[in-house]
Amino acid sequence: GQQVMQIPQYQHVQEGEDFTTYCNSSTTLSNIQWYKQRPGGHPVFLIQLVKSGEVKKQKRLTFQFGEAKKNSSLHITATQTTDVGTYFCAGQAGGSYIPTFGRGTSLIVHP
Amino acid sequence: NAGVMQNPRHLVRRRGQEARLRCSPMKGHSHVYWYRQLPEEGLKFMVYLQKENIIDESGMPKERFSAEFPKEGPSILRIQQVVRGDSAAYFCASSGGIEYSGANVLTFGAGSRLTVL
Repeated sequence: GQQVMQIPQYQHVQEGEDFTTYCNSSTTLSNIQWYKQRPGGHPVFLIQLVKSGEVKKQKRLTFQFGEAKKNSSLHITATQTTDVGTYFCAGQAGGSYIPTFGRGTSLIVHP
Repeated sequence: NAGVMQNPRHLVRRRGQEARLRCSPMKGHSHVYWYRQLPEEGLKFMVYLQKENIIDESGMPKERFSAEFPKEGPSILRIQQVVRGDSAAYFCASSGGIEYSGANVLTFGAGSRLTVL
């Protein structure tokens, strides 16, 4: 079945440093989504990427979808303490309505 | 515009008891997903339902677990004869399906945290 791998599992940064998490799928995806889960909270949708090579930005967050539509990344510039949480990618294969989630990357920001 | 409503938020059961978790999707959403999350782990898909239909239950354990989404009322995830390994957070999510532009985007509820003693 489809597998979505996400690295790293944890990332400690000093406030102001950049952060990147990477997502790789075993199969070609029709789209990929990113979610953020604050400690003790629930996943909240951030963005969806659909096109090969697509890049989208949300303030300090930059999302990329690979040319082969099998990998994606999320980059945060100049992290802040409010960025703390676990970031999940979720990929969907063509014809499927079921997003398969990566294990997530937990971001810890030290002030 | 209420989001996805899950209850109970916390549930404590003894081994062998039954757990019933309820989920009301966002208004206008007809697709419901259930995911399980163990501590320090990701979200494991369990089941995908539309009104009165189970579309995909490939992530559901074969025994003791069942789900439904009746024509009226919330979706229910039922766990019979719970064991300690069932302790987890169970998240429900809904989507609008193919008739919405963001067809595959999931809106999650706050989760139901099950503890089995």
